[in-house]
Amino acid sequence: SQQGEEDPQALSIQEGENATMNCSYKTSINNLQWYRQNSGRGLVHLILIRSNEREKHSGRLRVTLDTSKKSSSLLITASRAADTASYFCATAGGNTDKLIFGTGTRLQVFP
Amino acid sequence: EAEVAQSPRYKITEKSQAVAFWCDPISGHATLYWYRQILGQGPELLVQFQDESVVDDSQLPKDRFSAERLKGVDSTLKIQPAELGDSAMYLCASSARQGARYEQYFGPGTRLTVT
Repeated sequence: SQQGEEDPQALSIQEGENATMNCSYKTSINNLQWYRQNSGRGLVHLILIRSNEREKHSGRLRVTLDTSKKSSSLLITASRAADTASYFCATAGGNTDKLIFGTGTRLQVFP
Repeated sequence: EAEVAQSPRYKITEKSQAVAFWCDPISGHATLYWYRQILGQGPELLVQFQDESVVDDSQLPKDRFSAERLKGVDSTLKIQPAELGDSAMYLCASSARQGARYEQYFGPGTRLTVT
């Protein structure tokens, strides 16, 4: 079963623009992680944010977490064509120690 | 850079046949995961190993799926007999430590098509 739902399901932007993806989840968590998946490939870990953190940065990535709303957002600034991929949030915690992935956002960045 | 290896990358099989996938985790990673990813969805955990022991196989359809990691290193996931609904990407991941707070490293996956 999927824990998280991501919004939007698909997003198309031009190079240089910012891309924002949102993730909502249902149960309490210990941490939330974001992964990227290029077409037909495995997933690559991008960033982990703990439940006691509100914001985290890594290069052009900015992640926020609002545990009161059970939601997180991933912002990619100054997007590049190479950022074209699917992005998944995954939650850990509650009554389970396994990662539960959301449904993903498909990002297309046009050069 | 160390990577998780999986083979084959693609597999086409007829329903009712047996199929097997292989995974070699990053050297030294004690925790190994098998996920199934249906097209358009996120991965779902099938089975988790800590060394050679199964930690979680609650979502593994045990009537047709089996997984083993005999020496605590590489692992095999088997489906027998395959059904049309098994068509999906099968992903293997490993991590240095057990627990969802640790980063998981994914292999390229095996795309299974059952006809």
